[in-house]
Amino acid sequence: GAVVSQHPSWVICKSGTSVKIECRSLDFQATTMFWYRQFPKQSLMLMATSNEGSKATYEQGVEKDKFLINHASLTLSTLTVTSAHPEDSSFYICSARNERGAYNEQFFGPGTRLTVL
Amino acid sequence: GEDVEQSLFLSVREGDSSVINCTYTDSSSTYLYWYKQEPGAGLQLLTYIFSNMDMKQDQRLTVLLNKKDKHLSLRIADTQTGDSAIYFCAESITPGYGGSQGNLIFGKGTKLSVKP
Repeated sequence: GAVVSQHPSWVICKSGTSVKIECRSLDFQATTMFWYRQFPKQSLMLMATSNEGSKATYEQGVEKDKFLINHASLTLSTLTVTSAHPEDSSFYICSARNERGAYNEQFFGPGTRLTVL
Repeated sequence: GEDVEQSLFLSVREGDSSVINCTYTDSSSTYLYWYKQEPGAGLQLLTYIFSNMDMKQDQRLTVLLNKKDKHLSLRIADTQTGDSAIYFCAESITPGYGGSQGNLIFGKGTKLSVKP
């Protein structure tokens, strides 16, 4: 089956630093990847849609300068949390859509736990 | 607007059937999904149903869709302790509709606890 990996699986950083999270589709090409944020006991909140070779589409209320997204290849999208603060601590999950698959199927990565001290 | 509602908790005994319910509001939904999330992990697609179907069965899983009432359910037969997880209902509207690019709209998830 289709596999999506994320790296790192967890990260702890100091306030004010930037953190980069990678999302890779391992056995399929993904023109479109999605970045979600999940708060404890909450649903997934879509942050942005990442399109290969073009700018990401951000959801309302998500700061594009704060959460930088780069989708430079068909298998890799990165999310950089710039000047991270404690309120950015969360579980970040990416997904990749397999355009060759059926039914608009998205495959999810295992998530990255970000803790900002 | 788009909204997906689920009850937050369900507790069953091992061996019983579990039924997790979900309601959605967008009548243009094309596909509806059930995802499973185990603690500290990402989401695993369990099953999906196309909006013109009423029922889909896949081993222990049965999905029922009532499009008129916009109600979706997931039945897990012979529930096991390994089924304990959070189950998310999600809808996907047609790619490009409203500029959404076929994004998934998730419910808040139902935490299933299976007691031995």
